[in-house]
Amino acid sequence: AQSVTQPDIHITVSEGASLELRCNYSYGATPYLFWYVQSPGQGLQLLLKYFSGDTLVQGIKGFEAEFKRSQSSFNLRKPSVHWSDAAEYFCAVDLNNDMRFGAGTRLTVKP
Amino acid sequence: EPEVTQTPSHQVTQMGQEVILRCVPISNHLYFYWYRQILGQKVEFLVSFYNNEISEKSEIFDDQFSVERPDGSNFTLKIRSTKLEDSAMYFCASRPGGGYEQYFGPGTRLTVT
Repeated sequence: AQSVTQPDIHITVSEGASLELRCNYSYGATPYLFWYVQSPGQGLQLLLKYFSGDTLVQGIKGFEAEFKRSQSSFNLRKPSVHWSDAAEYFCAVDLNNDMRFGAGTRLTVKP
Repeated sequence: EPEVTQTPSHQVTQMGQEVILRCVPISNHLYFYWYRQILGQKVEFLVSFYNNEISEKSEIFDDQFSVERPDGSNFTLKIRSTKLEDSAMYFCASRPGGGYEQYFGPGTRLTVT
């Protein structure tokens, strides 16, 4: 079955530390891939997207993600986390105009 | 920069009542979507709409739900007889004809009492 998996429900990192949020998908073809961030009570903000081409994509707020076809993964990274990055992060995939979201990873940032 | 807008931001209704959630997609976009997010859970696809008809719908989108684009600018989601479990944040999104990225509105929080 087609699915999007974010294995980590909750991650805690110290401010200034590096971050990697995992996302795996299970689709027959390579879908379009997205990362969204949601602050409490807010809507969804697009961080970055991958459609084709360079597998390392840069996004807003210093985030990047790498598409690895062999692993069906699209992990989100940031070299140095800021306290304002505390939020819920959703990976999403779109295949044939059908977008599905992962369950989300809640990021807590320790001072 | 153009944005998707949604009204109201918060709607409270009694069980069994009908509600209409409104969205104004970005003006030159052709594809329209509704998603639902129950508190603390993931965002779930409800329905997509193109060329004045539903193109995809999920198993959540049962006969209680309907969508409409009544006037070329608004895109509405109607829930005929609300249930407690319809309480959620509802997001509208739109996409241009030649692109792949969906642009999300800020959401409407629906509370059914």
